Amino acid sequence: EAGVAQSPRYKIIEKRQSVAFWCNPISGHATLYWYQQILGQGPKLLIQFQNNGVVDDSQLPKDRFSAERLKGVDSTLKIQPAKLEDSAVYLCASSLVFRPLEQYFGPGTRLTVT
Amino acid sequence: AQKVTQAQTEISVVEKEDVTLDCVYETRDTTYYLFWYKQPPSGELVFLIRRNSFDEQNEISGRYSWNFQKSTSSFNFTITASQVVDSAVYFCALNTNAGKSTFGDGTTLTVKP
Repeated sequence: EAGVAQSPRYKIIEKRQSVAFWCNPISGHATLYWYQQILGQGPKLLIQFQNNGVVDDSQLPKDRFSAERLKGVDSTLKIQPAKLEDSAVYLCASSLVFRPLEQYFGPGTRLTVT
Repeated sequence: AQKVTQAQTEISVVEKEDVTLDCVYETRDTTYYLFWYKQPPSGELVFLIRRNSFDEQNEISGRYSWNFQKSTSSFNFTITASQVVDSAVYFCALNTNAGKSTFGDGTTLTVKP
């Protein structure tokens, strides 16, 4: 069974530029999560989708971050404009709807903002 | 509010030594779940174990064991006879609302040959 796929794996941009990350969850997993992991810290949930609807985006900085999951499968997370403090690893995870505690994580995208 | 504290930022041991990673949590909920994850250099989080708040039985899986004590709000993780492949960052996490977990800041374990 294929795991959660993410791309790109690494991205370097200058502040004020925009960037987008892509995630493809495990087939059949209706729930998708985006986490931000700043160096030296644990992951922090940014947004949770169930199919193409948002379940929780209370910790998403909506002035600059946006996410979508238009067809209920793949998802993109965008930052516009990026700030230095956005440098982090962005992890995508997925789970079955009725097993939210069993989350499978992708390898992450490491973003460096200079 | 939920909080998870992993007081040990970094631990270094020599291969075959036993090592214990500490985790202390805070929550007012009576139903909750505790997790341990391993994050190797490749970056993905690998699930190790989940316990619910009503099950205080300790668990052993091969060289791994977990000690859950509600009285001290702790969920410690012990690796027996550590190996170089155990080198990674280990995270403890708390979940009180299905899907939304609070993670500790992790403990970086280095096992030297």
